[in-house]
Amino acid sequence: QVQLVESGGGVVQPGGSLKVSCAASGFSFSAYGMHWVRQAPGKGLEWVAFIRLDGGIAFYADSVKGRFTISRDNSKNTMYLQMNSLKAEDTAVYYCAKDFLRSYNIFDVWGQGTMVTVSS
Amino acid sequence: QSVLTQPPSVSETPGQRVTISCSGGSSNIGSNTVNWYQQVPGATPKLLIYSNNHRPSGVPDRFSGSKSGTSASLAISGLQSEDEADYYCGTWDDSLNAALFGGGTKLTVL
Repeated sequence: QVQLVESGGGVVQPGGSLKVSCAASGFSFSAYGMHWVRQAPGKGLEWVAFIRLDGGIAFYADSVKGRFTISRDNSKNTMYLQMNSLKAEDTAVYYCAKDFLRSYNIFDVWGQGTMVTVSS
Repeated sequence: QSVLTQPPSVSETPGQRVTISCSGGSSNIGSNTVNWYQQVPGATPKLLIYSNNHRPSGVPDRFSGSKSGTSASLAISGLQSEDEADYYCGTWDDSLNAALFGGGTKLTVL
């Protein structure tokens, strides 16, 4: 069955770095764009970044541009989010999501999420 | 403050119909299709409606979507207790080159 599993979350100090991963299974990973979406505790959904199926194009939310980098390894069916210069406001559950219909903005499969806490 | 505006909360009794609005602008809803997501408390979001008015397989036809100009709506008929959840609209913004979500609407089934 189609599945996305995030990992790598944890507690990091402000200004620190963390890399989270998303392992995909049950579908042809290399045929789909992928997204990261986050949700701060008790808050709404916030789109973070998108990467095209071949990794050739990436888009970022203004709130993370210049600090976060999305990447993928199609040979490993895995997507990554490298987060640098982390701030308290980056504290959230980070979900990976599969793009639908090459839309860049329809998320049809979601992982369970990984929690990132930025705190001293 | 989200670019897409939704009411923070709506409520209705079982069996009735409720609508949730999503208001945007010319560079987002006005230029692109709208999608809706349901997030039951403690669960991950679920795609409910895509491309304005299409339902993924498995979504009951009690859920419907529409779009007009720079606004969109989600309608839920025959309300059931299990519909109690947070609902988010989403689209693409051509000016920001970014995907957007509305702030979310909490539906309470009284």
